[in-house]
Amino acid sequence: QQQVKQSPQSLIVQKGGISIINCAYENTAFDYFPWYQQFPGKGPALLIAIRPDVSEKKEGRFTISFNKSAKQFSLHIMDSQPGDSATYFCAALGEDSGNTPLVFGKGTRLSVIA
Amino acid sequence: DGGITQSPKYLFRKEGQNVTLSCEQNLNHDAMYWYRQDPGQGLRLIYYSQIVNDFQKGDIAEGYSVSREKKESFPLTVTSAQKNPTAFYLCASSPSQGAGEQYFGPGTRLTVT
Repeated sequence: QQQVKQSPQSLIVQKGGISIINCAYENTAFDYFPWYQQFPGKGPALLIAIRPDVSEKKEGRFTISFNKSAKQFSLHIMDSQPGDSATYFCAALGEDSGNTPLVFGKGTRLSVIA
Repeated sequence: DGGITQSPKYLFRKEGQNVTLSCEQNLNHDAMYWYRQDPGQGLRLIYYSQIVNDFQKGDIAEGYSVSREKKESFPLTVTSAQKNPTAFYLCASSPSQGAGEQYFGPGTRLTVT
């Protein structure tokens, strides 16, 4: 119940296209859903995050869509660029966050080709 | 210049030797974390600490040990009991255990032969 399932494992997108990465969870106590971006050989960095009181959050070319009833959330990267090529991790944090750290998905390796 | 530092970036050890990975933060964060990253495995939690002199096991704590004697420091020891120690190790911190945003260090790549 603590898992966050992420798909696809890898993704190849043409420059200018839309990249879509999906995550699903079971624990209804999760109330914070961040996405992290990691470049090769570097540590992950927070990209964008959402709470379940909204269905969408947009920051530049990056958008999180959240479906509370389906217990799913997704990251959309519009106008994908080669510089977006990285590994993306979704994560979730619950109401009992005092005892349980952030739960991560297994990651999606995105390659944006020209 | 605030942040998390991990040293060294690359570390090589012979099998059977214990090795300690350094993690220091000057963000005044209460919580710190250690993750292991292997290809296709995502981020697996090894240990975490919510406060000085206290820490909890994560999902894959066997073969590892930690200490938290100072707020800014959370070293990880990879012992000879860890069967597959070669990996990329990431340290992170957050203002508190309940804070969603974790700040990651640059990582240490450990190779054991």
